Amino acid sequence: EAQVTQNPRYLITVTGKKLTVTCSQNMNHEYMSWYRQDPGLGLRQIYYSMNVEVTDKGDVPEGYKVSRKEKRNFPLILESPSPNQTSLYFCASSFEGTHTDTQYFGPGTRLTVL
Amino acid sequence: AQKVTQAQTEISVVEKEDVTLDCVYETRDTTYYLFWYKQPPSGELVFLIRRNSFDEQNEISGRYSWNFQKSTSSFNFTITASQVVDSAVYFCALRSSNTGKLIFGQGTTLQVKP
Repeated sequence: EAQVTQNPRYLITVTGKKLTVTCSQNMNHEYMSWYRQDPGLGLRQIYYSMNVEVTDKGDVPEGYKVSRKEKRNFPLILESPSPNQTSLYFCASSFEGTHTDTQYFGPGTRLTVL
Repeated sequence: AQKVTQAQTEISVVEKEDVTLDCVYETRDTTYYLFWYKQPPSGELVFLIRRNSFDEQNEISGRYSWNFQKSTSSFNFTITASQVVDSAVYFCALRSSNTGKLIFGQGTTLQVKP
């Protein structure tokens, strides 16, 4: 089944404790992206990757890191999480990074930072 | 700048009523794509439709229809004979031709009461 998977789905952590949210897709997509969703703000892009070893900042990259060592995986790293990073996170992928492509989303990861 | 506006924050209807969700966008791109996604209470983002800027033909899929009007920069979504299962948050989005990111509206929460 073609899908984007994220783990964990739910996470409660404390300020400053490094964490990684994994994202994997099995559709051989070149483009992957992370978004966060906050009430009243919709979804905002954190980072994106056009292809392996190519990553770039989105609208709200502060406090996050990503890597794209393999085509299928695009982990989101929070080196020192803070309470303002409490949010619902979505990973997405599409065949290419062009505006014509449809992005498909993972199930979401609900993160709470205490 | 690119922007998507969904002016209706919340809509409440009774089952079997028709409902239209508004979406207005801004972009300087001559070619662009617009999308609608559904976010049910379970939280995932479900792709509904993609529309390109040079095809203004309206589209119907079952009870769903979309009206794209380039002259007014609008891409409205109508649900005919609404059902309780249509209750969700609906997002309109514009995909950037430069970075591939999706620019989301703030979402419209639709509640369909039995």
